[in-house]
Amino acid sequence: QKEVEQDPGPLSVPEGAIVSLNCTYSNSAFQYFMWYRQYSRKGPELLMYTYSSGNKEDGRFTAQVDKSSKYISLFIRDSQPSDSATYLCAMRSLGSGGYQKVTFGIGTKLQVIP
Amino acid sequence: DVKVTQSSRYLVKRTGEKVFLECVQDMDHENMFWYRQDPGLGLRLIYFSYDVKMKEKGDIPEGYSVSREKKERFSLILESASTNQTSMYLCASSFSKINEKLFFGSGTQLSVL
Repeated sequence: QKEVEQDPGPLSVPEGAIVSLNCTYSNSAFQYFMWYRQYSRKGPELLMYTYSSGNKEDGRFTAQVDKSSKYISLFIRDSQPSDSATYLCAMRSLGSGGYQKVTFGIGTKLQVIP
Repeated sequence: DVKVTQSSRYLVKRTGEKVFLECVQDMDHENMFWYRQDPGLGLRLIYFSYDVKMKEKGDIPEGYSVSREKKERFSLILESASTNQTSMYLCASSFSKINEKLFFGSGTQLSVL
């Protein structure tokens, strides 16, 4: 079983729709959760991160973490064609000192149709 | 903004060739990483480095080596390229070991024929 599971899609939605992207994980040590966005032919870039359970908002984006269910989500409101990209969840533990390995999901490809 | 620059966008090499992939970052980051990205497998860590002349194996180091002679430069070396090393290679850097944010280059698409 992979430590992080993510549906690769593709997910196709009309412009203006609410998008829900999700990941599940099995490692209880994961405490720091991130979402990266990767446009075609580009490297990933950090979109959002959160340490705690609950919701974190940044403009049209909301990151949600449910540690009891080991489930994280990224919601995109009023989706735009410019949101078309692959979204990768990523997570790591919160140890003290030493290297903290980041584990990535395989990414969900999103297409927002005008 | 941090810039991570990979020397080649596309590379085509023959089986058995020695291949060098170069990466340079301009923000004095301590840590640098090499990943490969394959459909259905996602990002997998090959090697990383905390400091100059230091290197650590990632999850899939077999068939690869690295060099970090200067803080800003991290090279990935395929000693004898094979077809199963055809992939997108991504370099990344981060400020600290806790890796609160990774900065990625645009990637090198390597094809080994």
